[in-house]
Amino acid sequence: AQSVTQLGSHVSVSEGALVLLRCNYSSSVPPYLFWYVQYPNQGLQLLLKYTTGATLVKGINGFEAEFKKSETSFHLTKPSAHMSDAAEYFCAVTLRNAGGTSYGKLTFGQGTILTVHP
Amino acid sequence: DADVTQTPRNRITKTGKRIMLECSQTKGHDRMYWYRQDPGLGLRLIYYSFDVKDINKGEISDGYSVSRQAQAKFSLSLESAIPNQTALYFCATSNYMNTEAFFGQGTRLTVV
Repeated sequence: AQSVTQLGSHVSVSEGALVLLRCNYSSSVPPYLFWYVQYPNQGLQLLLKYTTGATLVKGINGFEAEFKKSETSFHLTKPSAHMSDAAEYFCAVTLRNAGGTSYGKLTFGQGTILTVHP
Repeated sequence: DADVTQTPRNRITKTGKRIMLECSQTKGHDRMYWYRQDPGLGLRLIYYSFDVKDINKGEISDGYSVSRQAQAKFSLSLESAIPNQTALYFCATSNYMNTEAFFGQGTRLTVV
């Protein structure tokens, strides 16, 4: 079974500062990895995903994440925070089957609420 | 219109009542899921369905049931609601060829 741990339930940064949200996973086989964002009173929106290939993945709104197999990590970063980045962020994993497609079921981390100060 | 639509968006119900949450999608996906979100716990899988004749329990299925009425419709029922089922519920869809899931706007359920 897989699991996801997000370090820090709340992260606070100043506008223009670096954003770093940490995610570590546990999986018996290399998983697919995702970051989703949830704005208030909205559903989850995909920020970025890692499936195969390049381990540095770029997503929407200037976010990126790097898959580090040796560290079982998939941390999310953004060089310069904007007020509009304030939201809750979820890291998630799903297993891949022998054919390379996804099992579909997502296992989520606990979520990290990002606050951006002026 | 949203690709994944959940109804109702908000619901307050009394303990012991039966309630159904509905989800419909226009993405043409074969896989559908119900998740529950609680503060500090992230999202947890309740049930999932890979096609109309396939229903599977997720991590926290006790107290819930589902029905896949058509490829595009997947409903979640609470047979006898209890207060600790107060949560935000999300429906999601995916295609076996795709890795990502697409989420509805959520249903905020309060059981009093």
